[in-house]
Amino acid sequence: RKEVEQDPGPFNVPEGATVAFNCTYSNSASQSFFWYRQDCRKEPKLLMSVYSSGNEDGRFTAQLNRASQYISLLIRDSKLSDSATYLCVVDQGGKLIFGQGTELSVKP
Amino acid sequence: ETGVTQSPTHLIKTRGQQVTLRCSSQSGHNTVSWYQQALGQGPQFIFQYYREEENGRGNFPPRFSGLQFPNYSSELNVNALELDDSALYLCASSLGLRDRGQNTEAFFGQGTRLTVV
Repeated sequence: RKEVEQDPGPFNVPEGATVAFNCTYSNSASQSFFWYRQDCRKEPKLLMSVYSSGNEDGRFTAQLNRASQYISLLIRDSKLSDSATYLCVVDQGGKLIFGQGTELSVKP
Repeated sequence: ETGVTQSPTHLIKTRGQQVTLRCSSQSGHNTVSWYQQALGQGPQFIFQYYREEENGRGNFPPRFSGLQFPNYSSELNVNALELDDSALYLCASSLGLRDRGQNTEAFFGQGTRLTVV
């Protein structure tokens, strides 16, 4: 079993749609949680950290459920520029463990 | 720009050869982590260096080795290259766990794309 598992993609959605990504992790000792965004052939970039209380940044909402070892990312009002691969990431003592990524394609 | 630079950006090597990849960390950061990202996969942790010492290693064979220098820049060396070593190699710069406080973000370089033929 992979340490971090994400929804298999790709997700193809129209502009303006709401899309949700799900992720589970296996190590209950994991300390910090993130969503990264990776554009084609580029490096991953931090999208947002994820907290148990939930956090929102504009159209993006992230949620963490430690009991279920589950992380989610919700994107509202999708834009063409949101097209990318979204990586669920768990920090284990400074070592980042990545999911395989979920590709999102937003169409006009 | 993250301030993390990697060189070279692209590289083609022959099976059995050796390769050295380089990474300069962001100013003020003392930790460099290396990741391998195969096509269609998420990055996989290779190892981490903190203040010039190896500080954790992923599931990679000993032919993957590294160094960190006093200025906190780092090298990744891969010996006896295999076709499956073809991937994007990413380095990430951050503060060590004991130093970071609330500053937990890791910044990635643009990566080195290695092709082994």
